Amino acid sequence: QLQLQESGPGLVKPSETLSLTCTVSGGSISRSDSYWGWIRQSPGKGLEWIGSIYYLGSTYYTPSLKSRVTISVDTSKNQFSLSLLSVTAADTAVYYCARHLWGSYRYFAYWGQGTLVTVSS
Amino acid sequence: DIVMTQSPLSLPVTPGEPASISCRSSQSLLHSNGYNYLDWYVQKPGQSPQLLIYVGSTRAPGVPDRFSGSGSGTDFTLKISKVEAEDVGVYYCVQALQTLMFSFGQGTKLEIK
Repeated sequence: QLQLQESGPGLVKPSETLSLTCTVSGGSISRSDSYWGWIRQSPGKGLEWIGSIYYLGSTYYTPSLKSRVTISVDTSKNQFSLSLLSVTAADTAVYYCARHLWGSYRYFAYWGQGTLVTVSS
Repeated sequence: DIVMTQSPLSLPVTPGEPASISCRSSQSLLHSNGYNYLDWYVQKPGQSPQLLIYVGSTRAPGVPDRFSGSGSGTDFTLKISKVEAEDVGVYYCVQALQTLMFSFGQGTKLEIK
């Protein structure tokens, strides 16, 4: 059974960089049918897709965050990572990593449990 | 960008009664391959979202048959034939038509009366 686990600091200061890592277990991150994404949920709010990466390195970002986001992959460690620059209080959220398909079917098949990141001084 | 609009945003339901959630997209989600790229997820309290329905009407493995999805183009509906207590949560529709980009609806909170 595939499992995803987010890790990283739970507290980030305003204007600094938020960095999270998602470790994939129970399967390879290099499978050809899979993309790996980040989704966030601000307190009391809905879900927002941040971006996705393919194991060969192709990246796709939501337009509203594109200037501040970088997603990278480390196939040797079976991990992918999120970096969000110049954070503000508006970036406080639970951050989920997930595996999704993008072919004839397109959906998030597996999710991590989520990790809360608070932006505060 | 495609905007997803759900209604209602709050849905109190008596157990055993049916429930229906509407989702409208600002553009047609019908792909040239015949699939409508509209998925439904539920986020139960304290949990990560889980897939219910994909390509508009196909139930994900393990999803009870009381859940059904319908619609095409810009108008979609998620129906629960007989709501159970375990169905409490927030239901989201998501479009996946645009090239590697997902847009979520605002969510519909289903609660038991």
